[in-house]
Amino acid sequence: GENVEQHPSTLSVQEGDSAVIKCTYSDSASNYFPWYKQELGKGPQLIIDIRSNVGEKKDQRIAVTLNKTAKHFSLHITETQPEDSAVYFCAASIGGYQKVTFGIGTKLQVIP
Amino acid sequence: DTGVSQNPRHKITKRGQNVTFRCDPISEHNRLYWYRQTLGQGPEFLTYFQNEAQLEKSRLLSDRFSAERPKGSFSTLEIQRTEQGDSAMYLCASSPDRGRNEQFFGPGTRLTVL
Repeated sequence: GENVEQHPSTLSVQEGDSAVIKCTYSDSASNYFPWYKQELGKGPQLIIDIRSNVGEKKDQRIAVTLNKTAKHFSLHITETQPEDSAVYFCAASIGGYQKVTFGIGTKLQVIP
Repeated sequence: DTGVSQNPRHKITKRGQNVTFRCDPISEHNRLYWYRQTLGQGPEFLTYFQNEAQLEKSRLLSDRFSAERPKGSFSTLEIQRTEQGDSAMYLCASSPDRGRNEQFFGPGTRLTVL
C-alpha cells in the first residue's frame, strides 16, 4: 500500500519568513495530493491540493510543487503569520475519492 | 450546510465496554470515510462508504470494529470490548463522488479507554 513520509516533524520560523515542508510517496498510482491544516481540537482542513498532471499550484501565500518522477511534493508558505501555526499534513490518494494516506504531520510554529 | 458533525465529541469508557460514535456528513455527499488519529500521528484510514455500501476496510479495522451507513446518510462506528489501545481520535469525513473530491472532516470523537 501507499506510504507517505513527511519532514520535518517540527518547524519554527520567524513571522514573515517562509516555511517549507517536504513529502515523498511510494505508490506511483497515486495522482491526488492534498495538504491539510489541523488546529488544536479540530479536524483537518484542506488548504491546497494538486493533481499529478500539474507540477505547481499557488493560492495566495501557499504553493505546492510536485515531482512525479522523484515522487516528491512540497508545501511552501510565504510571509508566515502567527495564525499559520498548526499541524500540517501531506497526503496521497488515487483519484481522491478513495482513502487518503497521510504523512506524520509537521508542527509549524510561527514566532511573532 | 453546517459541515460534518460527530457525536459525542468526547467519550471515556472502561476497558471491555462497547462504544458507538455517530457521524452526520454534509448533505448530498455520497462518500463517507472513517479515520483514526493517535497523538502525534496523521489520520489512518479505517473504512469508507459510497451511499450505504461499505467499499473498503483497512486491516486496522479488527473484528471488534463495525461501521454502518444504513440509509446512505449518517454513519455509526461501533467498537466492542474496548481496549486501551483503542484510545484515539476518531475522525469522519465526507465528499461528493464527482466534481471536486475534497474530503471534508468533522471535529472528531476523542475516545479514552481506562
